[in-house]
Amino acid sequence: DQQVKQNSPSLSVQEGRISILNCDYTNSMFDYFLWYKKYPAEGPTFLISISSIKDKNEDGRFTVFLNKSAKHLSLHIVPSQPGDSAVYFCAASARGGANNLFFGTGTRLTVIP
Amino acid sequence: NAGVTQTPKFRVLKTGQSMTLLCAQDMNHEYMYWYRQDPGMGLRLIHYSVGEGTTAKGEVPDGYNVSRLKKQNFLLGLESAAPSQTSVYFCASHFQDSTLEAFFGQGTRLTVV
Repeated sequence: DQQVKQNSPSLSVQEGRISILNCDYTNSMFDYFLWYKKYPAEGPTFLISISSIKDKNEDGRFTVFLNKSAKHLSLHIVPSQPGDSAVYFCAASARGGANNLFFGTGTRLTVIP
Repeated sequence: NAGVTQTPKFRVLKTGQSMTLLCAQDMNHEYMYWYRQDPGMGLRLIHYSVGEGTTAKGEVPDGYNVSRLKKQNFLLGLESAAPSQTSVYFCASHFQDSTLEAFFGQGTRLTVV
């Protein structure tokens, strides 16, 4: 059973607009969340993370929001650029354990010039 | 600085054949992981290692074995390949005290016919 879910397989956004990628999780023990970005034929690369003690973390054009009560997090990209076109994976971990990361199925973002 | 390097990048096996995938990292990371990525399934953890000489099972360990004889190398073995092991395999690593911002290799595309 997927403990981390990304229900939107794909998303298309116009260049310059906001991209919002969503992620839901079921395990209440998760206390650390990450977003990875993946280009074709490459491995995932780390993008941004958030601890469960925060509800927002910002890094340049990327902001991650965490809603613990809803077990939901989202990644906002503003403004979206064509180079942002990639597959985005949400991941979660219960850091008191073995630091295993549980990944969602990914959302393919296409930014249209 | 090579980062995380996976060998080979592509391989086609016949059912029942064996092979070893090599992951090498030059960042002196303690933690190393093997994931598989399948369509609609995200990345699933096969085995991981928290240090030289240690290994542990992940989410989908059946049919695989691993070894971590040297800190910089993590080997994934398939003793008797099955078509269900057709997948893209990713290796990842990070420091013990890191915030799980793992570095990934470029992936190995394995097809079992």
